Amino acid sequence: ETGVTQSPTHLIKTRGQQVTLRCSSQSGHNTVSWYQQALGQGPQFIFQYYREEENGRGNFPPRFSGLQFPNYSSELNVNALELDDSALYLCASSPSGGITDTQYFGPGTRLTVL
Amino acid sequence: AQTVTQSQPEMSVQEAETVTLSCTYDTSESDYYLFWYKQPPSRQMILVIRQEAYKQQNATENRFSVNFQKAAKSFSLKISDSQLGDAAMYFCAYRGIQGAQKLVFGQGTRLTINP
Repeated sequence: ETGVTQSPTHLIKTRGQQVTLRCSSQSGHNTVSWYQQALGQGPQFIFQYYREEENGRGNFPPRFSGLQFPNYSSELNVNALELDDSALYLCASSPSGGITDTQYFGPGTRLTVL
Repeated sequence: AQTVTQSQPEMSVQEAETVTLSCTYDTSESDYYLFWYKQPPSRQMILVIRQEAYKQQNATENRFSVNFQKAAKSFSLKISDSQLGDAAMYFCAYRGIQGAQKLVFGQGTRLTINP
């Protein structure tokens, strides 16, 4: 069974640019959540996708957007990057979006905005 | 809105000893889930243990156990027989049963194991 994978591992961008981060769900999982973890902080929920539809969003501006594909992999897109967007971005998948599910995390993408 | 508080930024323990990490949360919901996740330097968040609020029995996973006090909104993690591999950031997290599977995390506790 393949776990959650994310790419790239590290990324450096400049302010104002756009970035796309990718996540492959664990086999058999149809729900993906994205979290932002600033240095020294706990992760914060960005949004969740269930069967290709966004079904929940945290307190993040619209320049944070996402997609989920038919194979349940996912992308996180961030437009007009700001310095405060520098963080570890974590993707987590779960089997069915049900309330009893546990989320399994990937290793994260470290984004640095200069 | 739900909040999770971990009041111990750092903890240390001698190898083979027992350590307890504290967590409190605030919610108006009656049903929810609580989790402890471990984040080693590799960055990957690993589930340590989970507790369903409707269960009175405290969850246990090998050397890891919790003390869940629902009325006090307290959820501490006890690690017995600490091992060097237990060194990591530990995050307490809350998840309600309504809507998306949104995890609300605390600020984390850095656990150091002294040989």
